[in-house]
Amino acid sequence: NAGVTQTPKFQVLKTGQSMTLQCAQDMNHNSMYWYRQDPGMGLRLIYYSASEGTTDKGEVPNGYNVSRLNKREFSLRLESAAPSQTSVYFCASSDTGQRNYEQYFGPGTRLTVT
Amino acid sequence: QQQVKQSPQSLIVQKGGISIINCAYENTAFDYFPWYQQFPGKGPALLIAIRPDVSEKKEGRFTISFNKSAKQFSLHIMDSQPGDSATYFCASYYGGATNKLIFGTGTLLAVQP
Repeated sequence: NAGVTQTPKFQVLKTGQSMTLQCAQDMNHNSMYWYRQDPGMGLRLIYYSASEGTTDKGEVPNGYNVSRLNKREFSLRLESAAPSQTSVYFCASSDTGQRNYEQYFGPGTRLTVT
Repeated sequence: QQQVKQSPQSLIVQKGGISIINCAYENTAFDYFPWYQQFPGKGPALLIAIRPDVSEKKEGRFTISFNKSAKQFSLHIMDSQPGDSATYFCASYYGGATNKLIFGTGTLLAVQP
């Protein structure tokens, strides 16, 4: 049982390049989330998906797109990377059938945009 | 956007001392208040959580104190150890079927031996 996995662990992009961050969970959770973590800013929600086939914007969605490919996988795409998107990105999942509201986080992807 | 305000931003405590981190929320509809712990290079993980029907919850050396009237909650770490050195985030759940959380800005705790 791997929990939440993310690839890649590290990535360096040049301004204007595109990339997709991959996330998968093996806990059969309904909801999945993408956050970015910046110093002094905490964890800010980019997009979330309440169930397969649905996605919604979070607090900071501009410059990002997401795909909930199936129940297990939730990807985050940067179409044209900007230095302001330099951050650590975390994927998380949660079982909305349980009222404990716990979110399980992946190990993160450290992205640098030059 | 509803906020959760967390303080202090950083904290240095001697081994064996008490670490205290505070959070304040705005929306009285919030009904679940977790604390997450994050070690360097790792993702956050749930440490302890409380619901507003109780004023305190204790798990080992970790205690959440909750003041509903003041809309504040705090994390107390008793007998702090160097292994507790990490970043701590408070959060609030604000309802709906998606388990979305609003996170505070984090507190970097360093416990000196």
